[in-house]
Amino acid sequence: EVQLVESGGDLVQPGGSLRLSCAASGFTFSRHWMTWVRQAPGKGLEWVANIKQDGSEKYYMDSVKGRFTISRDNAKSSMYLQMNSLRAEDTAVYYCVREWDYGPAYFDYWGQGTLVTVSS
Amino acid sequence: DIQMTQSPSSLSASVGDRVTITCRASQSISSSLNWYQQKPGKAPKFLIYAASSLQTGVPSRFSGSASGTDFTLTISSLQPEDFATYYCQQSYSIPRTFGQGTKLEIK
Repeated sequence: EVQLVESGGDLVQPGGSLRLSCAASGFTFSRHWMTWVRQAPGKGLEWVANIKQDGSEKYYMDSVKGRFTISRDNAKSSMYLQMNSLRAEDTAVYYCVREWDYGPAYFDYWGQGTLVTVSS
Repeated sequence: DIQMTQSPSSLSASVGDRVTITCRASQSISSSLNWYQQKPGKAPKFLIYAASSLQTGVPSRFSGSASGTDFTLTISSLQPEDFATYYCQQSYSIPRTFGQGTKLEIK
């Protein structure tokens, strides 16, 4: 059974840092692009960043470029999101998502999410 | 970036109704369009890929179609468990982008 379990969400002050983790199991982690998607309270889904199977390609939404860094450790079947210079508008539930891209691409498995709150 | 625009933003319907949700892409995305369902407090659930292909296990009352840059999600006969928020998402290019969501409520 595919499982994605996020951790690391917390209350942090503006300008602070946080590192989110995603532990994957039930599939061959190294064969898939992985993605972070976030959802601000009461708002819609927002793609944040993704990373290629071997970590050689990484992409970010404009508002987090230079502040967030996505990474992965295939030996540990884990993905990370280092978030620096956090702003109030980064407050959201962050989901770890597997992207299936063998043919049509889609987000087939989602974690339960971890809440990041940026507030003083 | 490709913009995805869903309509309506909200919709009230009754059990047994047929409902259609529309998603329009700001440019051609071929058939690279997916649909998700989200219930309050839960992670999204993947429903349809490539505009019209149902994910395994998704009830056949759900269907998707495409016409140019316009895509539709249709639920043929609403069931109580279908009341949720629905999102479209394009997988044609990075950044992957979502529509703003359509909240389907009980009338």
